[in-house]
This record gives sequence, structure tokens and C-alpha cells, in this order.
Amino acid sequence: QSVLTQPPSASGTPGQRVTISCSGSSSNIGSNYVYWYQQLPGTAPKLLIYRNNQRPSGVPDRFSGSKSGTSASLAISGLRSEDEADYYCAAWDDSLSGNWVFGGGTKLTVL
Amino acid sequence: EVQLVESGGGLVQPGGSLRLSCAASGFTFSSYEMNWVRQAPGKGLEWVSYISSSGSTIYYADSVKGRFTISRDNAKNSLYLQMNSLRAEDTAVYYCAREAAAAEGWDYWGQGTLVTVSS
Repeated sequence: QSVLTQPPSASGTPGQRVTISCSGSSSNIGSNYVYWYQQLPGTAPKLLIYRNNQRPSGVPDRFSGSKSGTSASLAISGLRSEDEADYYCAAWDDSLSGNWVFGGGTKLTVL
Repeated sequence: EVQLVESGGGLVQPGGSLRLSCAASGFTFSSYEMNWVRQAPGKGLEWVSYISSSGSTIYYADSVKGRFTISRDNAKNSLYLQMNSLRAEDTAVYYCAREAAAAEGWDYWGQGTLVTVSS
């Protein structure tokens, strides 16, 4: 059972906009930054969004992040087949003696 | 080019030990905080441990506390994870990940090394 809650799956057709949610609590998302990672099949995770809504260089602006209270969202617009991957949210949790927590991951399927 | 290369994984019996290494290149290793993250087969990501750039601050996930030890050798540009009292549930791909400065996330990851705990 993951500390952060994500839907296990999401889907969309090419060109569509999809959103993936990530729900936490006051000790993690509510008081710390949210990060999003993309994991393509058989590869290591890749940083997609940092500090709630910032994109590293090289990440297309089709990807955007937002945060409100104890929840966060990743939006992907202009969906492309190469976006089919697992997406994970992460945040620092203040309630324990130092702990990063992840969501369980969302498998995005491009139909 | 930034590179992180893990090694040391393999098959080990329950109760056994293993030491993972992560060789860093292409950046000033001593300036960066580092983490170990694992992924059980078919499962999601799980943070394992963190170490500050100097090695003075260390954190562990509750699931490995008391059994795993993170360390680094800045002179050798290397990160380590000593894993003792291994259990079946420790079976996973273990990734080392660099923590970018100023809360900018884990910007570089290694390719991972598979640890299998089984009799």
C-alpha cells in the first residue's frame, strides 16, 4: 500500500489530454514539493516534473504539473504513442524520520 | 556525460548479504546527494536510502532500517549499499539516483542491478 495514491491506469487516444492524479496528506504533498517520474518499459525512471510544476530541460511542454492542498496532478496534452509508460509521483514525508514516498504508479495506455 | 553504473547484484539466499556499488562519472560526485531506489518485479518504485554529499546525513526506509547501510567514497566517485539479513521481499532492481541541487529532483538514474533473494 503506497503512501501516495494514484489511479492504477489511465488511457487516451493520440492528441488527447489526459490527467493523472496523486493524493497524499498534510505531511507529504501538503507541505513539500511533488515530483513526477516517467518509466518507459524496461528502462530506468526519468524525471519529468520537479518542484510541483517545473520541467527539466528536454521535457516537452506537453507535460505539466500542478498541486493543490494535499493533491497533485500530471497533465499530458497532445498525447503521443511514445507517452505510453508508467508514471509515478513522489514527495518527501515529514511524518517519519526522513522518508521519500511514492505513489503506486499509473500505467498510461495510448489507444 | 553523466553516468551512473550499478553493479553487485545477483542471487543470494535468505539471510545472506550483498554489497551494491554505483560508479559515478561525468560530474563532481562529491557535490551531490544520492539515493537508492528499488523496484520489485512488476511493482512500483520504493525509496530505500539517502546520503548527503559529505555522507554526514543518512536516511533509510523503515523496511530496510537496521539491515542496510548506505555509504559513499567521494575519492572513488562511488556509492554503496551494504545489504544484510536479506529477505525474499528485498528482491528487486536497485537503482542509484542523483539528487539535483535545489530540490530539483532525481535527475540521473543508473540502469539498475537485479537482486534476487531466494533459496
